[in-house]
Amino acid sequence: EAGVAQSPRYKIIEKRQSVAFWCNPISGHATLYWYQQILGQGPKLLIQFQNNGVVDDSQLPKDRFSAERLKGVDSTLKIQPAKLEDSAVYLCASSPLRDKNIQYFGAGTRLSVL
Amino acid sequence: AQTVTQSQPEMSVQEAETVTLSCTYDTSESDYYLFWYKQPPSRQMILVIRQEAYKQQNATENRFSVNFQKAAKSFSLKISDSQLGDAAMYFCACDDKIIFGKGTRLHILP
Repeated sequence: EAGVAQSPRYKIIEKRQSVAFWCNPISGHATLYWYQQILGQGPKLLIQFQNNGVVDDSQLPKDRFSAERLKGVDSTLKIQPAKLEDSAVYLCASSPLRDKNIQYFGAGTRLSVL
Repeated sequence: AQTVTQSQPEMSVQEAETVTLSCTYDTSESDYYLFWYKQPPSRQMILVIRQEAYKQQNATENRFSVNFQKAAKSFSLKISDSQLGDAAMYFCACDDKIIFGKGTRLHILP
């Protein structure tokens, strides 16, 4: 079974630029999560989808961050415009409906904002 | 507010010895799950063990076990017979609002 795929692995941008991250969950997993992990901290949930609907986006900075999962499969997280404090690893995870408490994580995208 | 606290930023243990990582949490829910995740350097985060709050029996997965004290809101991880491959960041998490602690970096000394 293929794992959670994320791309790109690394991204360097200047502040005020835009950036997008892509995630393809494990096949058949209905729930998809995006996390922000700042260096030295634990992951912080940004948004949770179930199929193509948003379950929780209470910690998503909606003035600059957006995410979509249009067909209930892969997902894109966008930052526009980026700030220095957005430098972090962005993790995607997915879980099956039959056991929604087990999350399978991707390798993450490391974003550096200069 | 929901919180997860890991009070040990770093720990070291001799190979083959036993180590315990601490975690306390706060939640207003009566039914919830608690987790320990492992994040090796530059590698993906994986689930180590999980505990359902309504189950009194402590979860065990091979060399990994937990000490779950619901009244004290404490959830510690014990790693027995530590191996070099156990070196990683360990995160405690609660599924009430999906909150992670700040992590404990575990070093295994050969």
